[in-house]
Amino acid sequence: NAGVTQTPKFQVLKTGQSMTLQCAQDMNHEYMSWYRQDPGMGLRLIHYSVGAGITDQGEVPNGYNVSRSTTEDFPLRLLSAAPSQTSVYFCASSPDSHQPQHFGDGTRLSIL
Amino acid sequence: AQSVAQPEDQVNVAEGNPLTVKCTYSVSGNPYLFWYVQYPNRGLQFLLKYITGDNLVKGSYGFEAEFNKSQTSFHLKKPSALVSDSALYFCAVRATGFQKLVFGTGTRLLVSP
Repeated sequence: NAGVTQTPKFQVLKTGQSMTLQCAQDMNHEYMSWYRQDPGMGLRLIHYSVGAGITDQGEVPNGYNVSRSTTEDFPLRLLSAAPSQTSVYFCASSPDSHQPQHFGDGTRLSIL
Repeated sequence: AQSVAQPEDQVNVAEGNPLTVKCTYSVSGNPYLFWYVQYPNRGLQFLLKYITGDNLVKGSYGFEAEFNKSQTSFHLKKPSALVSDSALYFCAVRATGFQKLVFGTGTRLLVSP
């Protein structure tokens, strides 16, 4: 039982490049979310999804896109990377928004 | 709007002593409250939650938290700290009827031998 799997674990990008952070869960959870973690700021919600085909914005959505074509996968796209997007990104899932979330181990992203 | 405050960046305690990590919240309506722990280079792990019922909630690894509605607090406690409890602790809140979970800034717990 893998839980929540995030790939890659580490990535270095140049300003202006695009990339997709992958997130997959094998628990058949409907609710999935993306957070970024920055020192002194805790976790901030980027986007979330309450089921396949349904997504919505969190606190800090600018510069990021998401889609949810299947229950299992919830990729996060950076359209044109900026140094301000250097962060650790966490994906999480839960059966619904009321339940505790299961977190992946994160993707550490540096943008030069 | 929902918000969570963790007023202490770091809490230091000696092994065997009781520990408290503070959390206060602000929501419209009834809160769902959570505590998570994060070890180095890992994702967050769920410790305990309050939704309704008994104000004292017991969770994993001997941790407990007390919900106080009048003080809008949800402090994390443990009667006897272990060195292995050293980690980063996050409080989170979600208001009834809202889908978004809001996290505090985290408190680093350091337990010395």
